[in-house]
Amino acid sequence: AQTVTQSQPEMSVQEAETVTLSCTYDTSESDYYLFWYKQPPSRQMILVIRQEAYKQQNATENRFSVNFQKAAKSFSLKISDSQLGDAAMYFCAYRRRTPTMIQGAQKLVFGQGTRLTINP
Amino acid sequence: NAGVTQTPKFQVLKTGQSMTLQCAQDMNHEYMSWYRQDPGMGLRLIHYSVGAGITDQGEVPNGYNVSRSTTEDFPLRLLSAAPSQTSVYFCASSYTPQGREQYFGPGTRLTVT
Repeated sequence: AQTVTQSQPEMSVQEAETVTLSCTYDTSESDYYLFWYKQPPSRQMILVIRQEAYKQQNATENRFSVNFQKAAKSFSLKISDSQLGDAAMYFCAYRRRTPTMIQGAQKLVFGQGTRLTINP
Repeated sequence: NAGVTQTPKFQVLKTGQSMTLQCAQDMNHEYMSWYRQDPGMGLRLIHYSVGAGITDQGEVPNGYNVSRSTTEDFPLRLLSAAPSQTSVYFCASSYTPQGREQYFGPGTRLTVT
């Protein structure tokens, strides 16, 4: 079974600084997706960034970028120029990528989350 | 598009009561799923559906029933509520089961006393 681990329950950073959130995962699959989701106090789950395992290039979305180390099964999120609106719970998630209808293959496996605080 | 909608936003039940959490999407998505979120844990899959009339169990299905009579709706039924079902429930959907992105509803906070 796949597992996702976020070893940092809480992180804090000064506004405008850079912070990195860690995520490791365990899988025997070679083709999969990795995601970072943001959950602000409103509870809404917001997709921040997505990485396909077959792509060597690290995904970036504006101030958000990932460091994807497939051999090490590591997937960290870097937030540059932190803003007050970045304060939230961040969840790392894994999903198999399969072209066929395999039972349960579509499920997202989530880590425990990291609460990020931005200090003004 | 309204996206994925869930009702109610909050609900308090007594032990043994039954209720249905509603989920609807207007994006013509084939795949819909229900997750629960408990403190200190990520979201865990309860049930999912790959199309109208097709449902299956996820990681934590006990105490919950689902059905999918239309593409748009995927209700989650609690048959006899228990305090262990106190949680935040999220519905999610994607265009296909293999879709790269799942869209989440706003969640329902359920308390069972």
